[in-house]
Amino acid sequence: TQLLEQSPQFLSIQEGENLTVYCNSSSVFSSLQWYRQEPGEGPVLLVTVVTGGEVKKLKRLTFQFGDARKDSSLHITAAQPGDTGLYLCAGEESGGGADGLTFGKGTHLIIQP
Amino acid sequence: EAGVAQSPRYKIIEKRQSVAFWCNPISGHATLYWYQQILGQGPKLLIQFQNNGVVDDSQLPKDRFSAERLKGVDSTLKIQPAKLEDSAVYLCASSLAEKQYFGPGTRLTVT
Repeated sequence: TQLLEQSPQFLSIQEGENLTVYCNSSSVFSSLQWYRQEPGEGPVLLVTVVTGGEVKKLKRLTFQFGDARKDSSLHITAAQPGDTGLYLCAGEESGGGADGLTFGKGTHLIIQP
Repeated sequence: EAGVAQSPRYKIIEKRQSVAFWCNPISGHATLYWYQQILGQGPKLLIQFQNNGVVDDSQLPKDRFSAERLKGVDSTLKIQPAKLEDSAVYLCASSLAEKQYFGPGTRLTVT
């Protein structure tokens, strides 16, 4: 089973600051997904990256897939309290989009007003 | 569009008891997944169904866990007998193509 390591595990910053969270593996994934999970709810998909070196932007969130498709990062610009949550990266081992996902342990993010 | 429905939302049982969780996926989604999310960790895939057939159950503890999706729609996950370490949130997800949609989960506490 391929493993995904996320860092930092916990992050608490002030509103308006920038932050980056990382997702690393020693294995290659066909795609990586980022999810956000709030207490009492299931994860909600934010983005899927497929191509090595790919960069995707979602408003103030920027996602990057490493050239070797082993790592990914999520950068948030001017963080807001509504960004608070658990951010999970998840990898799919083979292509097709229908496989079960391998999740990292997540980064608990708190944005203080 | 209705999302993935799960019930119950919360369940407290004593160790060695049995428990069952129910999932109703999004209409038309052929693929259904059960994940276990232990506190402080990411979800771990337990079993994946394609219609009513099992695609992957390699991480399902088959001595105590079972799951079925008899008509290719709803699914149930059962634990018998439960252990303390089974305390977790059990998430159901469904997908039609690439995107998985998760339900709110069932929080199980085993005492």
